[in-house]
Amino acid sequence: AQSVTQLGSHVSVSEGALVLLRCNYSSSVPPYLFWYVQYPNQGLQLLLKYTSAATLVKGINGFEAEFKKSETSFHLTKPSAHMSDAAEYFCAVSPSGGSNYKLTFGKGTLLTVNP
Amino acid sequence: NAGVMQNPRHLVRRRGQEARLRCSPMKGHSHVYWYRQLPEEGLKFMVYLQKENIIDESGMPKERFSAEFPKEGPSILRIQQVVRGDSAAYFCASSPSGQVSNQPQHFGDGTRLSIL
Repeated sequence: AQSVTQLGSHVSVSEGALVLLRCNYSSSVPPYLFWYVQYPNQGLQLLLKYTSAATLVKGINGFEAEFKKSETSFHLTKPSAHMSDAAEYFCAVSPSGGSNYKLTFGKGTLLTVNP
Repeated sequence: NAGVMQNPRHLVRRRGQEARLRCSPMKGHSHVYWYRQLPEEGLKFMVYLQKENIIDESGMPKERFSAEFPKEGPSILRIQQVVRGDSAAYFCASSPSGQVSNQPQHFGDGTRLSIL
């Protein structure tokens, strides 16, 4: 069974500082990996995805993530935080095989950005 | 270009009543997924449907929960005889195909179900 662990349920940064949100996965084979963002009372919006192409993936709003197989990690970064980045971020994994529609989500990391 | 539409946005039911949650997928999408988000938890997969077919219901509770996606109209998630533990946000997602590698799932804004 696959699983996702997001280290830190709450991360606080200053505006302009580096954003680093951690995600580790457990899977017997290299999976597909995703980062989603959720603003209050809204649905999830896809930030970026890894599907076995380039290991450094660039997404929307200046975010990027790097797939590191040796560390089973897929951490999300952004060089400079904006106030508008404050939201909850979810890492998700799906099998790269037949049932790849079945996303498994982490518990989420709430990002706050201080002025 | 409308996204995934869910209604109602908020639903309040008393214990023992029925809850019906509706989801209209994005135009051109024939694959629908339902997820449940409990407080301070990530989303949990419930069921995957195509038109008139349930493809995978491995995440659905064995009793009281059912889902359908008829040939015409929205997908419906139905919860009978609701209990307090059913209080959660229910999200619907849709995609053009079942392959997330090149066609990711698009999510609606969810239905917040509260059980009194």
